[in-house]
Amino acid sequence: AQSVAQPEDQVNVAEGNPLTVKCTYSVSGNPYLFWYVQYPNRGLQFLLKYITGDNLVKGSYGFEAEFNKSQTSFHLKKPSALVSDSALYFCAVRPDRGSTLGRLYFGRGTQLTVWP
Amino acid sequence: DVKVTQSSRYLVKRTGEKVFLECVQDMDHENMFWYRQDPGLGLRLIYFSYDVKMKEKGDIPEGYSVSREKKERFSLILESASTNQTSMYLCASSLALRVTREGYTFGSGTRLTVV
Repeated sequence: AQSVAQPEDQVNVAEGNPLTVKCTYSVSGNPYLFWYVQYPNRGLQFLLKYITGDNLVKGSYGFEAEFNKSQTSFHLKKPSALVSDSALYFCAVRPDRGSTLGRLYFGRGTQLTVWP
Repeated sequence: DVKVTQSSRYLVKRTGEKVFLECVQDMDHENMFWYRQDPGLGLRLIYFSYDVKMKEKGDIPEGYSVSREKKERFSLILESASTNQTSMYLCASSLALRVTREGYTFGSGTRLTVV
């Protein structure tokens, strides 16, 4: 079965400090991994994805994520947080094969709050 | 840019009403999805469609139905709205899942309140 875990419901960080939002996954085959961000009363916006290749992927708004196959993790990071980064973040995975028609499986989300 | 448009941002309906939520995408995507989002529960898939007139149940289809008569439009129907269907509803679309390495594009959401 495919699944995604975001172990922290909330992450709080001071502006200017580095931030990490954690994600681990379980999937049959190789994973395609995604991060989305949601601002209040809005839909989800794509941030970045890992398909293959370099384990460190860079995305929008200065975010990056590191794929770690042995730990089945795909943590979202940013070197210096901004107050405007405060939002709800979702990790998602889909397998590169199988009978699930490639649907995305989402974590429950992590609320990031950046304090000024 | 791919646009996924949901017809209403906010909707208030009465218990027992039949409710239609509309979603339109303009990039010729094969696949369309309906999710509901509730605090602490994340996104839960209600229904999805990978072609016109085709539909597949997601994880929580009870109390819902869908219609896809045209490629660009995917409608979610609440046959008889109940208060436990008060939620944020998100529509998404994507290219054919067997060939794409892309994720989904989401609409802005419809916040439905059933009173």
